[in-house]
Amino acid sequence: DAKTTQPPSMDCAEGRAANLPCNHSTISGNEYVYWYRQIHSQGPQYIIHGLKNNETNEMASLIITEDRKSSTLILPHATLRDTAVYYCIAPQISGTYKYIFGTGTRLKVLA
Amino acid sequence: DTGVSQDPRHKITKRGQNVTFRCDPISEHNRLYWYRQTLGQGPEFLTYFQNEAQLEKSRLLSDRFSAERPKGSFSTLEIQRTEQGDSAMYLCASTMGDLKTQYFGPGTRLLVL
Repeated sequence: DAKTTQPPSMDCAEGRAANLPCNHSTISGNEYVYWYRQIHSQGPQYIIHGLKNNETNEMASLIITEDRKSSTLILPHATLRDTAVYYCIAPQISGTYKYIFGTGTRLKVLA
Repeated sequence: DTGVSQDPRHKITKRGQNVTFRCDPISEHNRLYWYRQTLGQGPEFLTYFQNEAQLEKSRLLSDRFSAERPKGSFSTLEIQRTEQGDSAMYLCASTMGDLKTQYFGPGTRLLVL
């Protein structure tokens, strides 16, 4: 699996955009980038994934750099309920597709 | 609710006892994963099933751990002779075919006293 690195923590004001970065410099050309979040004591929740193009869904936007070595998850209007640990994952494309989680970014949305 | 259920949600046991956890994946999903998560860490892969076949086991899965998926539907994870170091959240996830998006259950939180 591609190793991913994320800042350990970030703060964001409620109503502002939260931009969470992830470095995955060793990612292979056909490995996707996945984002999950985990709210305290719950299972990880899928947010979004992408390969090369930027992606958007009802929860977030994902911006992937052209060289695919990094990406940014954007929560456009953060709310208090977005306070969670966010994980960036780049699973191997063959075999078990198991996820290798890092320690993620702990996002705190401030009122 | 992702459609993946786990039972029990919480388990407190004494050191040396055996415990068994159950995971019911989304019905059409043929791939099933178990992960373990300790406090302050991200989940760590334990084992993987494709249908009823257990195709990969992590080195974290000691001889005291066994997992089954008898008919390619639900799965069980058993820990024998529990130790305090087994205290963790045990997570189950499922996906289908070539899709890589895993859907996680709520987890079973184990406390070994």
